[in-house]
Amino acid sequence: KAGVTQTPRYLIKTRGQQVTLSCSPISGHRSVSWYQQTPGQGLQFLFEYFSETQRNKGNFPGRFSGRQFSNSRSEMNVSTLELGDSALYLCASSRSGGPTEQFFGPGTRLTVL
Amino acid sequence: GQQVMQIPQYQHVQEGEDFTTYCNSSTTLSNIQWYKQRPGGHPVFLIQLVKSGEVKKQKRLTFQFGEAKKNSSLHITATQTTDVGTYFCAGHSTSGSRLTFGEGTQLTVNP
Repeated sequence: KAGVTQTPRYLIKTRGQQVTLSCSPISGHRSVSWYQQTPGQGLQFLFEYFSETQRNKGNFPGRFSGRQFSNSRSEMNVSTLELGDSALYLCASSRSGGPTEQFFGPGTRLTVL
Repeated sequence: GQQVMQIPQYQHVQEGEDFTTYCNSSTTLSNIQWYKQRPGGHPVFLIQLVKSGEVKKQKRLTFQFGEAKKNSSLHITATQTTDVGTYFCAGHSTSGSRLTFGEGTQLTVNP
């Protein structure tokens, strides 16, 4: 069974631009969560989608948004990029969300110049 | 909001020494999960504990969930170079479905 895939793997943008990241969960998984990881930090929760609905949202500004499609694939968008948005963005999928094992993708490394 | 704190942030050991990382939550947890992230990699699920006082072992790794379900620990016996990485705990609070991660403990093992 294929794992979680994320595209692109690396991205370089400049301040003020916007970016869209994509995540394809494991087949059969309906929950997708997004996390931001910066050096020395833990994983900061962005949001979780389940069956095309946002089920949970972290404490990030409105510049961060996401969505999930009917095939469970998910995208997250960051508008008006700031230098502090440089990070590794990880998505994780699980069958139903909640207290179940999460499978992480390799991440997208975003650098904002 | 729920906070999960993890100590130490860094740990350097000689190969063969033991290692322990501790995790404390500001709220009661319904479960605790542990993940390992190798350098340059992504977090990989190790285990989940759900019962108060639960202890689980995986070879040289021992995981504990506190009686009050607010703390947990991971102990590695006789570390090996393959144990290098960052260990994260993560928990769901009893009131929500969101998984909150600790800051992680970065383990380095000197051969």
